[in-house]
Amino acid sequence: EPEVTQTPSHQVTQMGQEVILRCVPISNHLYFYWYRQILGQKVEFLVSFYNNEISEKSEIFDDQFSVERPDGSNFTLKIRSTKLEDSAMYFCASSSAGNREKLFFGSGTQLSVL
Amino acid sequence: GQQLNQSPQSMFIQEGEDVSMNCTSSSIFNTWLWYKQDPGEGPVLLIALYKAGELTSNGRLTAQFGITRKDSFLNISASIPSDVGIYFCAGHYAARQLTFGSGTQLTVLP
Repeated sequence: EPEVTQTPSHQVTQMGQEVILRCVPISNHLYFYWYRQILGQKVEFLVSFYNNEISEKSEIFDDQFSVERPDGSNFTLKIRSTKLEDSAMYFCASSSAGNREKLFFGSGTQLSVL
Repeated sequence: GQQLNQSPQSMFIQEGEDVSMNCTSSSIFNTWLWYKQDPGEGPVLLIALYKAGELTSNGRLTAQFGITRKDSFLNISASIPSDVGIYFCAGHYAARQLTFGSGTQLTVLP
């Protein structure tokens, strides 16, 4: 069964460093998303991406965050200068054109900012 | 943003018992989805609901989209140990991003 894959599964970084989280969405999906989950809390929306541009973003997704689809298969989230409060599990998700509402999530990248 | 109120926050049940959890909102949602999350994993889609009043089953799971479009429930029948996890409701409001509830932590006791 097709799935969303994310790498790395864990990332430890120093405060102020840049990190790039990588995702390979399901191959025929056209809508891509990043969500995050701080430990013990609910899943929060960051950004949605369609047709090579951001379609919606939340207040969390400030100027330190950016997304990119550098090729036909990868979808990345970059955090330019990490802060302690960026520590969270980051989930990539994708959905198809025919069923946009049905999001499929990857297993996540656990980001720890020290 | 829109808020989804999910209850209960946690449940402890005996294996074989039925479980019910629900989500409510003050706003109308266009779709409701139910996800399960195991520790250290991403949410896994269980059931998607698209129409008010819709009742959908997936094995031992049954979910309904409330008539008012402001609520949804998930039932699990004859619980088994592997049902342990966090269950999240989620919904789309006005074609915007998927909003998650706060989750229900389910523990199944042998």
